[in-house]
Order: sequence, then structure tokens, then C-alpha cells
Amino acid sequence: GENVEQHPSTLSVQEGDSAVIKCTYSDSASNYFPWYKQELGKRPQLIIDIRSNVGEKKDQRIAVTLNKTAKHFSLHITETQPEDSAVYFCAARDYKLTFGKGTLLTVNP
Amino acid sequence: NAGVMQNPRHLVRRRGQEARLRCSPMKGHSHVYWYRQLPEEGLKFMVYLQKENIIDESGMPKERFSAEFPKEGPSILRIQQVVRGDSAAYFCASSGGAGSVYEQYFGPGTRLTVT
Repeated sequence: GENVEQHPSTLSVQEGDSAVIKCTYSDSASNYFPWYKQELGKRPQLIIDIRSNVGEKKDQRIAVTLNKTAKHFSLHITETQPEDSAVYFCAARDYKLTFGKGTLLTVNP
Repeated sequence: NAGVMQNPRHLVRRRGQEARLRCSPMKGHSHVYWYRQLPEEGLKFMVYLQKENIIDESGMPKERFSAEFPKEGPSILRIQQVVRGDSAAYFCASSGGAGSVYEQYFGPGTRLTVT
């Protein structure tokens, strides 16, 4: 089955800096890669996703890149703000989602 | 446009009792997924259902756990004879409809505590 590795497990940045979270997956059949943001005690919220026929996607301060050959994808957050602090999960999908273990992002004001 | 609904939000059960968790998907969605999240861990897939069909239950323990998504009404995740290790947050997600079968939207979760 699919296996998703996510790094780092914790990330602390200063407000205004960029943050990068990286994931690798194992199953070449996976064709959809979403990223979720989860605040403490809340539901995971879909923030951006990318399909396997696209190499990069951007939405305001958030971007995701995908390298199918190397089987890795990354989340980039620019101009970080304190409200970006949360746990971020990557996932890979053939038809069900397999999640990474999460990255706790802390943005220090 | 109501999102994914789950109830109850918090559920306390004693060991040996049954827990019944409900999930109503987003309007127009026909695919439902259940995930379990242990404290400070990621989400683990349990089961994938469409109306009246279990598509994949490979992530669900073979004993004590069952799920259904009837023609009418919410999807139900049922845990019989709960044990302390069942304490976790259970999230359901839905997808499908006019948008995409890929994008899964999560409900607020049910936090199960077994005493």
C-alpha cells in the first residue's frame, strides 16, 4: 500500500519568513496530492491540492510543487503570519487518502 | 451550503459499551470516508463507502467495528464493546457531486473517550 513520509515534524519560523514542508510517497499509482491544515481541536481543512498531471500550483501565499519522477511534493508558504500556525498534513491518493504524520508549524510574531 | 456534519461531537463510553458515530456528507456528495486520529498523530484511513456499498474497509479492525451508508440517512460507524484503545477522534470526509471525486472535505469529528 501507499506510504507517505513528511518532514520536518516541527517547524518554527519568524513572521514574514517562508516555510517549506516536504513529503514523499511510494505508490506511483497515486494521482492526487492534497494538503490539509488542522488547528488544535478542529477539523482538517483542505488548503491546496495538486494532480499528477501538473507540476506546480499556486494560491496567493501558498504553493505546492510535485516531482512525479522522484515521488515527492512540497508545500511552500510565503510571508508567513501568526494565523498560519497549525499542523499541516500532506496526503496521497489513488482512491483513498494516505496521510503523512504532520508538521507542527509555529510562526513567531 | 452545509458542510459535512458529524454527531455527537463528544462521546463518552464505558468499556464494553457500544459507540455509534454519525456522519452526514455534504449536499450532493455520494462518497464517505472514515478516518481515525490518535493524539498527536496523523489521520488513518478506516473505510470508504458509497450509498449502500462498502468499497474499501481495509483500514478497519476486523472485529467490533462496522460501517454503513444506507440509502436514506447518515453514514454510521459502529464500535461494539469499546476498549480504552478506541479513544480517539473519528473524522468523516465526503467527496463527489458536481465538483470532484478527489477533494475530500472533513466533518468536525467525534471525540470518543472510553473510561
